[in-house]
Amino acid sequence: DTAVSQTPKYLVTQMGNDKSIKCEQNLGHDTMYWYKQDSKKFLKIMFSYNNKELIINETVPNRFSPKSPDKAHLNLHINSLELGDSAVYFCASSQEGVSEAFFGQGTRLTVV
Amino acid sequence: GIQVEQSPPDLILQEGANSTLRCNFSDSVNNLQWFHQNPWGQLINLFYIPSGTKQNGRLSATTVATERYSLLYISSSQTTDSGVYFCAAPGGSYIPTFGRGTSLIVHP
Repeated sequence: DTAVSQTPKYLVTQMGNDKSIKCEQNLGHDTMYWYKQDSKKFLKIMFSYNNKELIINETVPNRFSPKSPDKAHLNLHINSLELGDSAVYFCASSQEGVSEAFFGQGTRLTVV
Repeated sequence: GIQVEQSPPDLILQEGANSTLRCNFSDSVNNLQWFHQNPWGQLINLFYIPSGTKQNGRLSATTVATERYSLLYISSSQTTDSGVYFCAAPGGSYIPTFGRGTSLIVHP
């Protein structure tokens, strides 16, 4: 029974396309995150979201947007994909303030 | 925001050797996590350790919160231990902030 699941695992798409990555958690956590892992393996926070606030890393282009239909889901939408968006994207969740975070299996995005 | 530094950046071991990985953080924290990213890219929770020492099989971790560091010990390393080890500490709004990792290769 997967705690944090994201789909798809792999995504290959052309420049200029719009794509979404889905994330669901069944841990009952109130906070969800999106991280980007670059080619040097550095994990950088993109968004943190709970039902009270969305925190956006100021370095994230506004082509990226999180959408949360409910507390258990936080999807990542990306518009006008660029070559530099190629990376592995991880979804995670935790209970705010307690903060043991659990991660999904990652989505490897390749923009060609 | 909080700074998280890990050392060494790279480590190569022969199977059976022991090793210690270090994580320093710049601010007081109320929790600290260690993760293993395996060669398939999965991020696996190893320890949630705000302070003190925990053990899980051949792995153990110690966090000394007052001195702002945590150590991960790997004993009798195996090839399956290869991968990248990350520590993460809560930054602003409790968002987990990662170090750059220690890349470990264990040779048979």
